[in-house]
Amino acid sequence: TQLLEQSPQFLSIQEGENLTVYCNSSSVFSSLQWYRQEPGEGPVLLVTVVTGGEVKKLKRLTFQFGDARKDSSLHITAAQPGDTGLYLCAGLNLGSQGNLIFGKGTKLSVKP
Amino acid sequence: NAGVTQTPKFQVLKTGQSMTLQCAQDMNHNSMYWYRQDPGMGLRLIYYSASEGTTDKGEVPNGYNVSRLNKREFSLRLESAAPSQTSVYFCASGQYGYTFGSGTRLTVV
Repeated sequence: TQLLEQSPQFLSIQEGENLTVYCNSSSVFSSLQWYRQEPGEGPVLLVTVVTGGEVKKLKRLTFQFGDARKDSSLHITAAQPGDTGLYLCAGLNLGSQGNLIFGKGTKLSVKP
Repeated sequence: NAGVTQTPKFQVLKTGQSMTLQCAQDMNHNSMYWYRQDPGMGLRLIYYSASEGTTDKGEVPNGYNVSRLNKREFSLRLESAAPSQTSVYFCASGQYGYTFGSGTRLTVV
């Protein structure tokens, strides 16, 4: 069974701080996605990374896919209260028909 | 811009009652999915449908049935609800990037 481990599980920071969350596996994925979920809503896709070593930026968010395609990180610069939410990584395994495997998430709270 | 629509948003059932959760998407996606989300457990796949007319079990299918009524609609049925099925249920559609509905919060008492 392929697993995605996310760390930390919880993160509480002040507005303006930087943070990094991690998504790790012992398995290789053909692609990896990051979602953000706000209370009472479904997850919303932020980004998909496909190539080992790939880096994608979305405003203050930087996503990186590991060279071996087993891990990924999400870095937020100068966090804002609007970044508060549950961040989920999801991996698409090699040869899959499209079923994603989700990590358990990192719950981020950014205080003003 | 509806995307994925789920109904109802909230439901309380008594143990042994049955109900159907409805899901419809307007993005012409072939693949649709049902997940449940529980604290500390993350999102777990119940059933999925890779195309109209096909359905397959996911990680936690016991106690559930599904119907892919047409390309747009994918329903989840609980035949005899149990307290262990108290959860938030999400429908999603898409191939390599999912679009999720806003969820159904189900409580079984």
